[in-house]
Amino acid sequence: TQLLEQSPQFLSIQEGENLTVYCNSSSVFSSLQWYRQEPGEGPVLLVTVVTGGEVKKLKRLTFQFGDARKDSSLHITAAQPGDTGLYLCAGDDSNAGKSTFGDGTTLTVKP
Amino acid sequence: DAGVIQSPRHEVTEMGQEVTLRCKPISGHDYLFWYRQTMMRGLELLIYFNNNVPIDDSGMPEDRFSAKMPNASFSTLKIQPSEPRDSAVYFCASSLGDRGRHEQYFGPGTRLTVT
Repeated sequence: TQLLEQSPQFLSIQEGENLTVYCNSSSVFSSLQWYRQEPGEGPVLLVTVVTGGEVKKLKRLTFQFGDARKDSSLHITAAQPGDTGLYLCAGDDSNAGKSTFGDGTTLTVKP
Repeated sequence: DAGVIQSPRHEVTEMGQEVTLRCKPISGHDYLFWYRQTMMRGLELLIYFNNNVPIDDSGMPEDRFSAKMPNASFSTLKIQPSEPRDSAVYFCASSLGDRGRHEQYFGPGTRLTVT
């Protein structure tokens, strides 16, 4: 069974601070997604990373896929209250028809 | 596209009653997933379909849970009889499954409360 561990589980910071959340596994994934979920809504896809070492940027968010495709990180620069939410990573195995989700990091950005 | 549509958005029922949750995936998506989310257990995959065929139902907690996908545009998740521990938010998601990637598009969820 493939497992994805996310850390930290909870993070509370002030507006303007930088932060990094992590998604780690002992398994290799063919691709990995990051989602953000706001209260009362379903998770929304932010990005997919596919190649080992790949870095993708989405405005103030920077996503990196580990060289061995076993881990990933999400860095947010100058966090804003609108970044508040649950961040989930999900890994794909090309031989499986489903993704493995991590337990998520709950981020709170205080104004 | 309207995205993944789920109904109802909220359901309150008494223990022992039958509950049916409905989902319309994004047109053209080959995969459909049903998840349950709680504070204690996070997001759990219950079952998924590929081209309307159930592929993996190992996450379905008990025989009280059943799911169907009679066609490419509709799926149901049924709980009969319902119990208070079934209270959770149930999400439906769909994906293309292109090249083994499951970039999933989630519906807004159904918040189920069983009293």
